[in-house]
Parts: sequence; C-alpha cells; structure tokens
Amino acid sequence: GQQLNQSPQSMFIQEGEDVSMNCTSSSIFNTWLWYKQDPGEGPVLLIALYKAGELTSNGRLTAQFGITRKDSFLNISASIPSDVGIYFCAGRDFGNEKLTFGTGTRLTIIP
Amino acid sequence: GAVVSQHPSWVICKSGTSVKIECRSLDFQATTMFWYRQFPKQSLMLMATSNEGSKATYEQGVEKDKFLINHASLTLSTLTVTSAHPEDSSFYICSASGVPGHFTDTQYFGPGTRLTVL
Repeated sequence: GQQLNQSPQSMFIQEGEDVSMNCTSSSIFNTWLWYKQDPGEGPVLLIALYKAGELTSNGRLTAQFGITRKDSFLNISASIPSDVGIYFCAGRDFGNEKLTFGTGTRLTIIP
Repeated sequence: GAVVSQHPSWVICKSGTSVKIECRSLDFQATTMFWYRQFPKQSLMLMATSNEGSKATYEQGVEKDKFLINHASLTLSTLTVTSAHPEDSSFYICSASGVPGHFTDTQYFGPGTRLTVL
C-alpha cells in the first residue's frame, strides 16, 4: 500500500537539542496525525491536525498541517531521554476512515 | 480515556495452529476497529477494517480466509490467524475510533501482540 515519506529516517541528537522532522505525500490529505511508538508497544497519538495551515502544540511538541495539504512537520523542543522512539506521521483522506502511515523517524538521544 | 487493550501481548505457537488475538476498547464504544501488521523496523500496514455486526473489509493482498476478523460488539474485535506459518510472525496492532468527545476518525491504538510461529 501507499506510504508517506518521512525524513530524516533516523536522528541522533544530544539531550536538550531541538528536533524537527517532516512528512510528505504525493496526494492531499484531510487530516494529519503524529504518533510515537516505543519498542514493543502500540503507537500513541501525539497531535492531530484537521485544517490546512493549522499549527498545534502539545507541551514541547508542535506540529503543522502544510498549506498544500501534502505535508506536515513535527518539532520537539528541548529533547529529553523519554523522547526516544519512532515517530510516525499518518494521513487520512476526506471521506475515508483509513490511515496511511509514514515510514517513520527513529529518534536516539546520545548520552 | 480512549484506552485500547490487546490480549495476549505475546504468543508463540507451532506452525499449522490457529491463534486468536483480542482487541478491546475499555472506556468507550468503538464504531470502527482496525487491524495492522508491523514487521521489524517497518511501518504499520493496514490489514482490515471492521465495524460491529458487519463483515470486515480487507486490504488488497490480505487473505480473508487466513486472517479471520470478528467484531462481535462495540468494544471487542478479534483477529484469528488460521493455520499460522513462520512468515506470519509479526507484531499485530489494533486500533479503534469513535471516541466520544473526540473527532470520530481519530484512531487510538492497542499495545500490540507479538506473534512468533515456530
């Protein structure tokens, strides 16, 4: 099935650094979601975006729904050890309840 | 709120046997439940969508006779992997949508079930 392209694939950062990752699609989505997955666990919803241009924050996380509706980005400020994990974006078409997931960005914090 | 559980969290079985995985929405009635499969270091791939009381809709390439889905109530869906083989070993994750007070299409995920077929 279709997948969204996420970049970067992986990131190695030091604690306290800011993180930025994005997700792009060849087609338009009506909803963008960002999830975090820890090893051996299911994804946990971080932020949901429902309107083109929307900028939404959840604590140290900020995500934006691109105005073209074909992309979204997620920023994490002042990273901490518990931010380690894999971040997935997911898009949903209008009138379609299914989600299309991104390829994932693996975040590692270097001691 | 919006808690989804799965049971078992892991299972090891012999080739040729069948395995049932349960997905429950604990604090809400889910209008729709979804089943995903995730191979190591890969993304989630949707297998099927199920609504309570109706037949599941399977994604292209997913064998409906091998992956039986039963959505008996608004809080329970089950996935049965029939005649499992080693290539069916994977991480199976369910999700549910329809949370009151949330956008109806937002999916909340269970913790996953790791299936290993020997």
